[in-house]
Amino acid sequence: DAMVIQNPRYQVTQFGKPVTLSCSQTLNHNVMYWYQQKSSQAPKLLFHYYDKDFNNEADTPDNFQSRRPNTSFCFLDIRSPGLGDAAMYLCATSRALAGVREQFFGPGTRLTVL
Amino acid sequence: AQSVTQLDSHVSVSEGTPVLLRCNYSSSYSPSLFWYVQHPNKGLQLLLKYTSAATLVKGINGFEAEFKKSETSFHLTKPSAHMSDAAEYFCVVSPASGGSYIPTFGRGTSLIVHP
Repeated sequence: DAMVIQNPRYQVTQFGKPVTLSCSQTLNHNVMYWYQQKSSQAPKLLFHYYDKDFNNEADTPDNFQSRRPNTSFCFLDIRSPGLGDAAMYLCATSRALAGVREQFFGPGTRLTVL
Repeated sequence: AQSVTQLDSHVSVSEGTPVLLRCNYSSSYSPSLFWYVQHPNKGLQLLLKYTSAATLVKGINGFEAEFKKSETSFHLTKPSAHMSDAAEYFCVVSPASGGSYIPTFGRGTSLIVHP
């Protein structure tokens, strides 16, 4: 089945130690999103890609970076994780066509910072 | 510009009773509207979507929503709650066309189902 896959599902890192989260998709969608979701809150958009065009939200900290080497893969790099970065990180995709732009979500990566 | 208001942060029902989760939206264009469900430590799953083809939309697990343009509402209902419906629900508005691909999420409604 076509899907959005996130690895790992659970990630534990130490304060200040860089970490990379990965997302892959078999849907061939040209838009990919990274969200941060803290407990009992709505997902907060960090960035999105339209093909290779990168779009950073204005309030996304510089500590967060992203790479999209090809259509299928997207990475979230946290350069120096702080305790406040502990959260669920969600990857999503959609098609950039007129009409219903439904998002397809991966299962998420739960990040713990010690 | 677009926005979404989920009127209740928590809704508590007994198993077997109806569910109503309320959502109001604003949009400067014809929007697409979605309801997603999220169980603990899981990703978001699409329940249903409004595509402008029909104002009453049926989704998975017995949920449905009615698009009311005059009231700018897209409330989610289910005739009879099940214990497995306990989860977080998000109402989302998205541009149906144009150069923006950024959906706007409501704050979420936590559905609690009592036995």
